[in-house]
Parts: sequence; structure tokens; C-alpha cells
Amino acid sequence: EDQVTQSPEALRLQEGESSSLNCSYTVSGLRGLFWYRQDPGKGPEFLFTLYSAGEEKEKERLKATLTKKESFLHITAPKPEDSATYLCAGNTNQAGTALIFGKGTTLSVSS
Amino acid sequence: DAGVIQSPRHEVTEMGQEVTLRCKPISGHNSLFWYRQTMMRGLELLIYFNNNVPIDDSGMPEDRFSAKMPNASFSTLKIQPSEPRDSAVYFCASSRQTEAFFGQGTRLTVV
Repeated sequence: EDQVTQSPEALRLQEGESSSLNCSYTVSGLRGLFWYRQDPGKGPEFLFTLYSAGEEKEKERLKATLTKKESFLHITAPKPEDSATYLCAGNTNQAGTALIFGKGTTLSVSS
Repeated sequence: DAGVIQSPRHEVTEMGQEVTLRCKPISGHNSLFWYRQTMMRGLELLIYFNNNVPIDDSGMPEDRFSAKMPNASFSTLKIQPSEPRDSAVYFCASSRQTEAFFGQGTRLTVV
């Protein structure tokens, strides 16, 4: 069964304290690993797509990396506004984007 | 672009009543997805359409759930009859190639 597992479930950081979120996947025929950010009461917001092992993408304080079995979302010197739930998802669909989501990591950054 | 538009934002209904959720995708997007989000199960894909045609409805939990996409700019998700366990946030998303863009969701409460 295709599955995406995220850890930890929750993470508390001090402002400026760098860390990483983990996403492990067992998805046959993976066609893209996606990261989304979700704020309370809102829909998920797209961050990154990674397609092959070794690929990296960056956006401001976030960097996503991909290996054959897992992906990491590295957060460098986080700020309180980075507080959100970060969702990882795998796409197995050849014809489009049908995502299997993990349950997310809720990040809280305090000043 | 206004993004994916869902209505209503909140819906409270009594058990046994019919509920219809609505979605307007982003213009030019050819894929549309309905997801359900709960604390226990996270984000689950219910059904998706490509060029207005349902491609995969294996995530629809029961025959009480049905979805239609009569044209490229409108889709509905109907629950009849509704039950308390259907209470969740329902998201619609659309995509053109790979990245899916989500609406703000409809929070459904069945009492």
C-alpha cells in the first residue's frame, strides 16, 4: 500500500534555531514528491516539487531535499511567521497529480 | 486570478439531510480534485477529474457521496444522506500540470 509518513508530528523551535522535518514514503512509481504549507483555517499552499533523488529546491529559509526513500524540509534560522503545518505528499499518477498526503508536522516557532 | 473558490465556507446540517459543496477551479486548469481532511486521517483524496471526466473515485467512502463536474468551471460534491461521521473540512483543488492549488475549504458539521 502506498504510504507517506511524516515526523515529528509536532516541533517547537526558538527563533533562529534550525531544524529538519522528515517525510518517508513507500510509493510505487513515485512521480513527484510535494511539500505544502497549511495555516490554520486555510487550504494547503504549494511550496516545492521534487522528482529525482539528489534534487534540492530552496525558497527563503526553506530547503527541500529528496533521496530514494525520504525527503527532508530543512528550515534555517526560522522566524515566528514560519509557524504552520507542513505537509508532504507523493504523486503516483501518470496522467496527472493525485496526491497521497502524510499527516503533517506542526511547527511552532517562538521569539 | 482569484484562486480556487469553494462555497459555502461553513455548513452545519442535521443528520439525514442532503449537503452540496461547490467548487470553481482556476481558469485553464484541466484537473480537479476533492479532498477531505480530519484530525484522525489527515488529507484524503476522494475523487479527481481530468477534463471534466471522473478518473478515479476509489477514495469516495460510500455510495452516499457523489461528485459531478458538468463543465470546466464548476464541480459539486454531494452527500445524501449526511451522517455525523462526515464532519470534516472538504477541500477542492485544481491543477494544470503538476502543482495542485487548493481552495479555502468547506467546514462541514453534521449534528
